[in-house]
Amino acid sequence: DAGVIQSPRHEVTEMGQEVTLRCKPISGHDYLFWYRQTMMRGLELLIYFNNNVPIDDSGMPEDRFSAKMPNASFSTLKIQPSEPRDSAVYFCASSFSMSPLHFGNGTRLTVT
Amino acid sequence: LAKTTQPISMDSYEGQEVNITCSHNNIATNDYITWYQQFPSQGPRFIIQGYKTKVTNEVASLFIPADRKSSTLSLPRVSLSDTAVYYCLVGDRGYGGSQGNLIFGKGTKLSVKP
Repeated sequence: DAGVIQSPRHEVTEMGQEVTLRCKPISGHDYLFWYRQTMMRGLELLIYFNNNVPIDDSGMPEDRFSAKMPNASFSTLKIQPSEPRDSAVYFCASSFSMSPLHFGNGTRLTVT
Repeated sequence: LAKTTQPISMDSYEGQEVNITCSHNNIATNDYITWYQQFPSQGPRFIIQGYKTKVTNEVASLFIPADRKSSTLSLPRVSLSDTAVYYCLVGDRGYGGSQGNLIFGKGTKLSVKP
């Protein structure tokens, strides 16, 4: 089992550019979660999916953020346009039914 | 949503037993208590989950008193590699309810010294 795979591990971009973060959940898992972690705010739940359908996106900070899950093995989190305050580590996690979450190693985003 | 309170940080030495207590005064009947561990530059990792009394696995023990208003994560004989942030989450096991099991607070930063 390769675990949850996120790419890229690091992303540096300039303000105003579009950023796309990618996640491959563990095969067979039916839930997928996107989190953001900063020193100030800790780990924040942004959105989660069940069977590829978004269930709760109330944590998405604003319209610049969007997430999709076109199939059971792939999800994206897009920021357009990016801003310096979006700099954070973004984590993807997956789980099967009500089991605990399995996290990826995150994408460290820096927006200059 | 059951609010959790944990110490911000703790220090320990190698070989000692470490106990991290989490308060959750308004825990609901259906809520479980789940602990995660996060090392630097990694995502959180599930450690242990329990509902009442005591749960033990190869990594840790979880003690939950009868009133369930608190819980204690016990790490036996810690080593330097146990230096990490430990999160206590409280919520029902499904994701459609309170979502307490999806809400990570600031956690407890454990520093183990030689």
